[in-house]
Amino acid sequence: DQQVKQNSPSLRVQEGRISILNCDYTNSMFDYFLWYKKYPAEGPTFLISISSIKDKNEDGRFTVFLNKSAKHLSLHIVPSQPGDSAVYFCAASDGNNRLAFGKGNQVVVIP
Amino acid sequence: DTGVSQDPRHKITKRGQNVTFRCDPISEHNRLYWYRQTLGQGPEFLTYFQNEAQLEKSRLLSDRFSAERPKGSFSTLEIQRTEQGDSAMYLCASSFRSSSGNTIYFGEGSWLTVV
Repeated sequence: DQQVKQNSPSLRVQEGRISILNCDYTNSMFDYFLWYKKYPAEGPTFLISISSIKDKNEDGRFTVFLNKSAKHLSLHIVPSQPGDSAVYFCAASDGNNRLAFGKGNQVVVIP
Repeated sequence: DTGVSQDPRHKITKRGQNVTFRCDPISEHNRLYWYRQTLGQGPEFLTYFQNEAQLEKSRLLSDRFSAERPKGSFSTLEIQRTEQGDSAMYLCASSFRSSSGNTIYFGEGSWLTVV
């Protein structure tokens, strides 16, 4: 049962433009959400997180938005850079000790 | 480098052999996790330690898998009698829980290929 879903598995975006990645979840007990970035043959790298008491968190070029009523979050990358080309994973926690991950979105930033 | 360290990074083994992976977490982190990732999937939780105690195991962790964290520092994950379906990236992660949430930090992973 996939509790965290990332549709639109790949995204191509021009350098300098905005990348928007979407994530939907089904478990209303999730209260902490994270985005990870992964290059091939490497482990996921933490990017940004958001607690369910917030609806927005920003860190440099990365902003995460949370819509609890819709059980939806998104990651915005502005401006996109070639080094952002990677797979991005959405993850969620319900306060227990495991994270539930989506299947990932491939982002390709075109110079 | 003070990140999560995993060894070996790559392992090719014949079916039926045993393999062991080691993980050294970030030094001040008391929580350690093992995840597994296969192609096209996100990481899947295997097991979790708080200090030396193994507190949670996924049903993905069959009897052939065993993990230890004997002194609450490094951890090992052993797979006995490997099968081709065990081929995956095995990810170790660590965290130190804060009031703002439990962010876990991953190592670079150990690739296992069973031939």
